[in-house]
Parts: sequence; C-alpha cells; structure tokens
Amino acid sequence: DVKVTQSSRYLVKRTGEKVFLECVQDMDHENMFWYRQDPGLGLRLIYFSYDVKMKEKGDIPEGYSVSREKKERFSLILESASTNQTSMYLCASRDNSPLHFGNGTRLTVT
Amino acid sequence: SQQGEEDPQALSIQEGENATMNCSYKTSINNLQWYRQNSGRGLVHLILIRSNEREKHSGRLRVTLDTSKKSSSLLITASRAADTASYFCATGRSGGYNKLIFGAGTRLAVHP
Repeated sequence: DVKVTQSSRYLVKRTGEKVFLECVQDMDHENMFWYRQDPGLGLRLIYFSYDVKMKEKGDIPEGYSVSREKKERFSLILESASTNQTSMYLCASRDNSPLHFGNGTRLTVT
Repeated sequence: SQQGEEDPQALSIQEGENATMNCSYKTSINNLQWYRQNSGRGLVHLILIRSNEREKHSGRLRVTLDTSKKSSSLLITASRAADTASYFCATGRSGGYNKLIFGAGTRLAVHP
C-alpha cells in the first residue's frame, strides 16, 4: 500500500519565518504534488514535480518554492510566511494511478 | 480558477437513503475522479471514469459522466453513518500534463 507521509500534522509559525513542509512517499512515484485546501475553495495546486530536480508551477505558486533533491521527498518552502498562508497543506504522489495523499499539515501563521 | 464545481455544497440524509452529488466542469477532460476526505485527513481515491465511459460502478458507488453537458454525478446507495465525509471531484485535462484540478467538495452527513 502506498504511503505518503507528511512530517507534521500541526505547525504554528510567526509571520516572516521561513517554513519547510516535508513530504515523503515510499512507492517510487515519479510525480509529486503540493496542494493547499481552504474552506469553500477546495484544493488548489501550488507546485508539482515530475522528476528529481524538476518542478512546475501550479495555479497558486506565489509565495512558495519547492525542492526535490531525491525521488521520494518533495519539500514545500514558504520563504517568508504570511498570515494568508494559514491553511491545510496536502502532499500527494502518483504514477499512472490516482493520487495518493498524505494526511495533511495544518499550518497556522500568527 | 476551479475546474470542477460540486453541487450541493452540503447534503444531510438518513442512514439507508441514497446520496447523489454532482460535479460540473469547464474544459475538455480525459478522465474524472472522485475522492473522499474524512474530517482532518487526506483524500482517498474512490473511482475514476474516463471520458469515453458513461457509467461506472464500484460497490455501493455509481458514477456517471456526460461529456456533452460537462457534468458527472456520484451516487452512494444505502448510505451508512461511516459515509459521512467530504466528497471531491477532480478532472484530468486533455492535452498537456495530466495534473488534477479539484472542486470545492460536497459535505455529506449521514445520520443514524
């Protein structure tokens, strides 16, 4: 069974801090994704990666960057956290299959 | 902008009743998927229907797809309290890289 693990379930950070959200998958998937989920807006794609060191912007990349140094790990970076980045962040991975999601990281920026 | 939009936003039913959720989308797709999310958890894939299919079944789930109307429906028959969750449709676009675009979801509450 595919497992996608997000390192933190809950995170509280201060405005202006640099924040790292980590995601690891154990099924050797090529493709990994970061979504944010907000009430009434559903899931919105921030960034995705189709190979090591390869990345593409999703629909809302502003204020975020990503890193994929190893196939199994995809990191989301908030360079300078702001209160409007308070949200649930969901990591997912797939190959020729539906998406497999982690349990999410609920980030609060104060 | 969102590709899929679910309707209704919220649905409350009794155990044993059927639940129907609808999804509309805007652009051409090559597949449409339904996912379920229990409170505070990640999403779990339920069923995928391809653009050349009209109906698909999986256990108590029935999905239909009408590409001429750009819409899909998810029917859960004989609902149980454990079906209480949010349900999302997601579309894979024709052409380009096949990333999924999600709607805002339908919150289903099934009362014992």
